[in-house]
Amino acid sequence: AQTVTQSQPEMSVQEAETVTLSCTYDTSENNYYLFWYKQPPSRQMILVIRQEAYKQQNATENRFSVNFQKAAKSFSLKISDSQLGDTAMYFCAFMSPSGNTPLVFGKGTRLSVIA
Amino acid sequence: SQTIHQWPATLVQPVGSPLSLECTVEGTSNPNLYWYRQAAGRGLQLLFYSVGIGQISSEVPQNLSASRPQDRQFILSSKKLLLSDSGFYLCAWGRRQDSPLHFGNGTRLTVT
Repeated sequence: AQTVTQSQPEMSVQEAETVTLSCTYDTSENNYYLFWYKQPPSRQMILVIRQEAYKQQNATENRFSVNFQKAAKSFSLKISDSQLGDTAMYFCAFMSPSGNTPLVFGKGTRLSVIA
Repeated sequence: SQTIHQWPATLVQPVGSPLSLECTVEGTSNPNLYWYRQAAGRGLQLLFYSVGIGQISSEVPQNLSASRPQDRQFILSSKKLLLSDSGFYLCAWGRRQDSPLHFGNGTRLTVT
């Protein structure tokens, strides 16, 4: 079974600085999808960024980018120019397109952006 | 555009009472539907998912059940709530099994 590990329960960053959240996963599949979700204090789950395993190019969405290392099974999220609104729980998630396995989430990293 | 509605937003129920949480999706057909639970503000636990009407897969054996009476309606139920059922319940939908999930606003359930 696939597993997703986020080894940093909590992190903090100064406003305007850059922070990287770590995520590793375990799978025997070659093709799959990886996601980062953000859960602000409102508790709504918001999709931040998506990466297809067959794409070598790292995904970017404005200030959010990933460092996808397929061989190492690593999928870190970099937030540049951190803003107070980035304060949230961040969840890494794995999805296999084969079979009926739904999205598997890590336990999350609580990020605090400090003014 | 697609939207997902989940209600109620908050619920306080006594132990032993029944539960019914409802989720509906608009703007798409034959979505995959999911119920997750989040305890203590931490990770998400998948409870049930459905790939079609009447098709329910259970991930965790417990006193909760799910039903999909219509294509875009997903209901989470319990006949008798336990204290351990307290938590934040999230409904989600996806177009295909390889598409990102889109979440409702969640229901905060407190069992007293």
